[in-house]
Amino acid sequence: AQSVTQLGSHVSVSEGALVLLRCNYSSSVPPYLFWYVQYPNQGLQLLLKYTSAATLVKGINGFEAEFKKSETSFHLTKPSAHMSDAAEYFCAVSATNTGNQFYFGTGTSLTVIP
Amino acid sequence: KAGVTQTPRYLIKTRGQQVTLSCSPISGHRSVSWYQQTPGQGLQFLFEYFSETQRNKGNFPGRFSGRQFSNSRSEMNVSTLELGDSALYLCASSLEIAYNEQFFGPGTRLTVL
Repeated sequence: AQSVTQLGSHVSVSEGALVLLRCNYSSSVPPYLFWYVQYPNQGLQLLLKYTSAATLVKGINGFEAEFKKSETSFHLTKPSAHMSDAAEYFCAVSATNTGNQFYFGTGTSLTVIP
Repeated sequence: KAGVTQTPRYLIKTRGQQVTLSCSPISGHRSVSWYQQTPGQGLQFLFEYFSETQRNKGNFPGRFSGRQFSNSRSEMNVSTLELGDSALYLCASSLEIAYNEQFFGPGTRLTVL
């Protein structure tokens, strides 16, 4: 079975500061991992995905995430927060034995303080 | 390519009624998944359809059903609506392989009064 835990339902950072959003996964098979962002009243947009190639994955808008198997983690980072980064972020896991069923974390709301 | 489209965007119903939501996937995508998003439960998987067959199903009561047509368009139906069914219903389409990303539509906001 697969599951995702996102630590911290709310994260606040100052503009220009490091963004770190935490995601830990549980999977009985090699996982595929994703980070999505959701702006108010919109659907989810993919930021980046890990599909067993490079462990450091670069995504859109300056975000990146590192897959650490030993820690079962896939934390999302961005060196310098921008006001436009304020949104809800979701980590998700999928696996070859679950078709296209994605398991999402409960989300982290990111606030950027000017 | 056009993105995933969902209709209607907003819907208000009363308890006991039924509702049908529609989703048109990205051209070429044969997998369509449905999710329910609420503040309390987050994103919960409802079901996935692939080539007109339900391939996966989440833990929802039988009042929630869906289908997929030969052109990959999908509908979901909720019968005997309850107040707790108020949510944002998101549809996502993807290619058939698990590691491919899911592309989400803007959602249908259902309010049950």
